[in-house]
Amino acid sequence: QKEVEQDPGPLSVPEGAIVSLNCTYSNSAFQYFMWYRQYSRKGPELLMYTYSSGNKEDGRFTAQVDKSSKYISLFIRDSQPSDSATYLCAMSDGTNTGFQKLVFGTGTRLLVSP
Amino acid sequence: EPEVTQTPSHQVTQMGQEVILRCVPISNHLYFYWYRQILGQKVEFLVSFYNNEISEKSEIFDDQFSVERPDGSNFTLKIRSTKLEDSAMYFCASSKGPEPQHFGDGTRLSIL
Repeated sequence: QKEVEQDPGPLSVPEGAIVSLNCTYSNSAFQYFMWYRQYSRKGPELLMYTYSSGNKEDGRFTAQVDKSSKYISLFIRDSQPSDSATYLCAMSDGTNTGFQKLVFGTGTRLLVSP
Repeated sequence: EPEVTQTPSHQVTQMGQEVILRCVPISNHLYFYWYRQILGQKVEFLVSFYNNEISEKSEIFDDQFSVERPDGSNFTLKIRSTKLEDSAMYFCASSKGPEPQHFGDGTRLSIL
């Protein structure tokens, strides 16, 4: 079983749709959960991060973590063509001094059509 | 907004040659990382660096790899004798501490 699993897509949606992106993981020690956006030929750009279980909202983006199911989600409301990118989930077990190693999913490619 | 910068954006090297990839982390960050992404594959952790020493490294980070912070601003990754399978995007990242890492735009390394 892979440590972090993510559907590679592509996921195609019309502009204005609600997008749901998901990852599952196997390591119960993971405590920190992040979503990064990656445009072509660019580095991962941090979108959201959460600690442990729960929800976090930032503008059109909502991140959810369900540790009991080992399942995390990113919702994008009112999706825009500029949201077209690859979305990477990443997670870490964390330490007292820093986040240390991030374990990434494969990324889901999202295409938002006008 | 401060950002992590990496140079060069693309490096072409002959197999067996040494290569040095350079990074300037965000200025008040204390934790530094290298990751790589082989085309079509996941971003993979290579090494983390704190207080002038390696804090963790992956199985990929063998004796051919080394990292250095030669001065107060630069962070480098050296590959001593490159192999074809070292061809990948290499990302540098930094963080202040217990918060997520911020990534540079990467160096595309092509080994011929």
